[in-house]
Amino acid sequence: LAKTTQPISMDSYEGQEVNITCSHNNIATNDYITWYQQFPSQGPRFIIQGYKTKVTNEVASLFIPADRKSSTLSLPRVSLSDTAVYYCLVGDWGSARQLTFGSGTQLTVLP
Amino acid sequence: NAGVTQTPKFQVLKTGQSMTLQCAQDMNHEYMSWYRQDPGMGLRLIHYSVGAGITDQGEVPNGYNVSRSTTEDFPLRLLSAAPSQTSVYFCASALAGAQETQYFGPGTRLLVL
Repeated sequence: LAKTTQPISMDSYEGQEVNITCSHNNIATNDYITWYQQFPSQGPRFIIQGYKTKVTNEVASLFIPADRKSSTLSLPRVSLSDTAVYYCLVGDWGSARQLTFGSGTQLTVLP
Repeated sequence: NAGVTQTPKFQVLKTGQSMTLQCAQDMNHEYMSWYRQDPGMGLRLIHYSVGAGITDQGEVPNGYNVSRSTTEDFPLRLLSAAPSQTSVYFCASALAGAQETQYFGPGTRLLVL
């Protein structure tokens, strides 16, 4: 499983766009990039996954450059309820049997 | 669908006691897993199962046992509780071949004195 590096914490204000970047220099050809969100006292929740270029859903967008050595999770117009820990995971989910969570990024949205 | 359910929500044990954390899912998922999360840290995989009758160890399996007799249930047993097992335990499930999209339960907070 490719190792990932992301900032420990980030602060933002309500209404702003937040971008969280994850570095994964050793990503393999068959690896996908997956992001989870975890609110306090809850289990993590899958939010988005991508392989290359851009993926968008109702929650977030995921930008992946051509070399795929990094990815950026973009949260548009955050609110206080987006305060959570965000985890970046990389793996070949077709063959991998487990998710490896790092320490994640603590996003705090301020009023 | 209830999704993934875990019981109990909170438990206090004395060192040396044994107990079973229950996990059930009603989504007919083949893949199930147990994680522990310690304060300020990410989740670490304890055990996982790819189907009834099949289990395997994760990153931190020592002190824990699992079994998978049905698709729906995946209990985690603490054989002899130790203070180092104080943690929050999460159970998760996923479709086979889609382990990247796991559905997590609400967690069980365990305190071992």
